[in-house]
Amino acid sequence: GDSVTQMEGPVTLSEEAFLTINCTYTATGYPSLFWYVQYPGEGLQLLLKATKADDKGSNKGFEATYRKETTSFHLEKGSVQVSDSAVYFCALPSAKTSYDKVIFGPGTSLSVIP
Amino acid sequence: DTAVSQTPKYLVTQMGNDKSIKCEQNLGHDTMYWYKQDSKKFLKIMFSYNNKELIINETVPNRFSPKSPDKAHLNLHINSLELGDSAVYFCASSQPGGAGEQYFGPGTRLTVT
Repeated sequence: GDSVTQMEGPVTLSEEAFLTINCTYTATGYPSLFWYVQYPGEGLQLLLKATKADDKGSNKGFEATYRKETTSFHLEKGSVQVSDSAVYFCALPSAKTSYDKVIFGPGTSLSVIP
Repeated sequence: DTAVSQTPKYLVTQMGNDKSIKCEQNLGHDTMYWYKQDSKKFLKIMFSYNNKELIINETVPNRFSPKSPDKAHLNLHINSLELGDSAVYFCASSQPGGAGEQYFGPGTRLTVT
């Protein structure tokens, strides 16, 4: 079945460090891929998405490229800030339910220290 | 304007009680969801409604009963609360077939003592 695997956290970085959060997936077909972010005490919000292979999604300095050959969608940012401290979720819609259900990864907690 | 709102934000109650959480969205979406997030941030889907019709019903105890009076509202009623029900509950909405792009409410933190 469809699934999402993310690197385990927590991840702790110093401000201005480079960030990579790995995400790999198993899916039927070629669904869109998503990254969501959850800031402390808030609900999840869509960070970026890519709809087909080789697409790059980007937002707020974050980027992720849809890699069909490696079934990956790694999240990157060149220089993190304290305000990026949050939990990050990789996600894809499940073809099994006509894409009405989203499979979320387990989340990766990021802490950025000044 | 809040897109997806939930009430209450915090709910503290004793075991055995019955409680409800309400959700409303003003995005004009047809599909709404309930999720449970545990202390390790793992997100589990519970239910989904499309235009008032139940379309996803995961393995959830039947003490949990969703109700959708119209497509802008999805409420969650929980009977006979247990300690293990303590979690953050999120409501979300999306367009049909656009489930990957969901809009979440701020969450309701339920604590059962």
